[in-house]
Parts: sequence; C-alpha cells; structure tokens
Amino acid sequence: GAGVSQTPSNKVTEKGKYVELRCDPISGHTALYWYRQSLGQGPEFLIYFQGTGAADDSGLPNDRFFAVRPEGSVSTLKIQRTERGDSAVYLCASSARGRGVEAFFGQGTRLTVV
Amino acid sequence: AQTVTQSQPEMSVQEAETVTLSCTYDTSESDYYLFWYKQPPSRQMILVIRQEAYKQQNATENRFSVNFQKAAKSFSLKISDSQLGDAAMYFCAYRRGYNQGGKLIFGQGTELSVKP
Repeated sequence: GAGVSQTPSNKVTEKGKYVELRCDPISGHTALYWYRQSLGQGPEFLIYFQGTGAADDSGLPNDRFFAVRPEGSVSTLKIQRTERGDSAVYLCASSARGRGVEAFFGQGTRLTVV
Repeated sequence: AQTVTQSQPEMSVQEAETVTLSCTYDTSESDYYLFWYKQPPSRQMILVIRQEAYKQQNATENRFSVNFQKAAKSFSLKISDSQLGDAAMYFCAYRRGYNQGGKLIFGQGTELSVKP
C-alpha cells in the first residue's frame, strides 16, 4: 500500500486479556515507531525499530508491553494482561533513513479495555 | 530530557483570517528538528511544516509559516487565510538531530476551530 497501515482500526477487549496490534509500514522504510495517545493528549513514544532490532524501547511503560519486527517490515505491538489504563490510540509511524526525513503515520488503532 | 509545551488548549479563528499557535520547548542540544503536525478526526498525523535548528530562516509552506526563535526556544505556527479544512488538533513536536534516533516528542496539542 501507499501509506502506513494499522490493523485493527478499533479493538475492544476485556481487562486481563492479551491483544496484538499490527503495523504495516511504507515499503522500504527501515525505521518504525510506536506511539500511544491517551484522550486529549499528545502522542507518547513507546519504541523505535531500525530494521529488525529495537533501537530504543525506553518508552514502553512496563513489561506487559512488547513489540517485534522479525523481518524488518511488519511490526506487532503486544500487550499482556490488559488494564483499563491501557485504553488509548496506538499510532505507528515509519520513515526512511536520512537527515530530516519525514515520519509518516498510520491512522492508529483505538484500543478500549472494558 | 527534552520537553515540548503548548499552552493553548483551544484556539478559534474566523475563516480567511490569520491565527498563530504557540509552542515552546526545552533542550540542551544544538542539533534538532521541530515540526508541526495536524491531526484531524481521522486520527492520522499529517506533517504541516518542519524546521531544522541550524537554519536561521523560518520555514514556509504555502499558507503555513513558522516563527522560530532559537534563543527563546519558541516555535510558533502561523496559518494565513484560514480555511474550514484547517480545523483539527495541531501538535508541535521535537526530534533530536540526525543519527540520534528519530523519535518525536510531542506537546499536548491545540484544538483549532474555524468559524465560517
């Protein structure tokens, strides 16, 4: 596809369940980012991949959150034992290498934990 | 640590008029980038304009321009000839320089409404 694709668009899950959120970056983009946006707030950084490896995971809030990018393209954000406080929009972005390059965002996954 | 602050939760402008959104940031670094992103109800972040810290000239993109005051750590966005389609959340964002990782640090956002 032409842009960053995130699936599902919306996800409702029960407290304590496990969820996976998927991000398909723009083809050829080596950098991939996950952000979390709570209601009425700006996005907060979670994790950054350069290729297959997590170059910076300093934004992951706790060990219930994990992300992978096994082949350097698609990434999955995994949340275990979901809590109501995890409810937010999860945004994915990708960019090419290079100085000053733009990050392109997907439309996000709205996660609601009930 | 770097921080970005937007002190205007909401702003309103009349169609065809000009509005300025404020942003301040804090950093000890000399090489960085600043951005303004627009987020409509579709949730997708759209880049409006970017500024490289080493460039003194203010960036301009059609009706959008910035006032970059590096010493004051201020980065405001001016929207001229406002249109109904400009109504959205606007986020100011900071990114460290090249080869420092590309994560963005966002402000809290300003909700812009445009009155016909």
